[in-house]
Amino acid sequence: RKEVEQDPGPFNVPEGATVAFNCTYSNSASQSFFWYRQDCRKEPKLLMSVYSSGNEDGRFTAQLNRASQYISLLIRDSKLSDSATYLCVVSRNNDMRFGAGTRLTVKP
Amino acid sequence: EAQVTQNPRYLITVTGKKLTVTCSQNMNHEYMSWYRQDPGLGLRQIYYSMNVEVTDKGDVPEGYKVSRKEKRNFPLILESPSPNQTSLYFCASSLQGRITGELFFGEGSRLTVL
Repeated sequence: RKEVEQDPGPFNVPEGATVAFNCTYSNSASQSFFWYRQDCRKEPKLLMSVYSSGNEDGRFTAQLNRASQYISLLIRDSKLSDSATYLCVVSRNNDMRFGAGTRLTVKP
Repeated sequence: EAQVTQNPRYLITVTGKKLTVTCSQNMNHEYMSWYRQDPGLGLRQIYYSMNVEVTDKGDVPEGYKVSRKEKRNFPLILESPSPNQTSLYFCASSLQGRITGELFFGEGSRLTVL
């Protein structure tokens, strides 16, 4: 079983839609959680950290459920520019583990 | 401009021909790391370095070597490349270590081993 698992998608949604991605992790000792964004053939870039209380950054909301060991990312009012692959990242003792990513395509 | 620079960006080589992928960062970061990315497997860490002259194996170190003689440079060496090392490689750096989450990646190096 992979340490970080994501639904690979693809998710194809119309502009303006709300879309949610989930990610599960296997190591209960994991300490820090993040979402990265990766555009096609580009390098990953940090999108946002995920805090226990949940956090929001504009149209993006991240949630963490430690009891169930999953992380979620909610994107509201999707834009064409949101099309990318979203990587879930879990960190423990300075060891970062990446999920394989969920691909999102936002269509006009 | 703050950046992580990798070279070459694209390389086709043959089995057994030694090659080096260079990585340089201009942000005075202590932490540097190499990843490979393969379809369906995500990013897997090859080697990392917490500081000059300190390197450690990641999840998939076999067939690779690294060195960290200067803070800014962290080259990845494939002594005898094999076809299963065909992949997209990323170098990354961080100021405070991985736990902060802010890894800065290079643009990637696509390697094909025939």
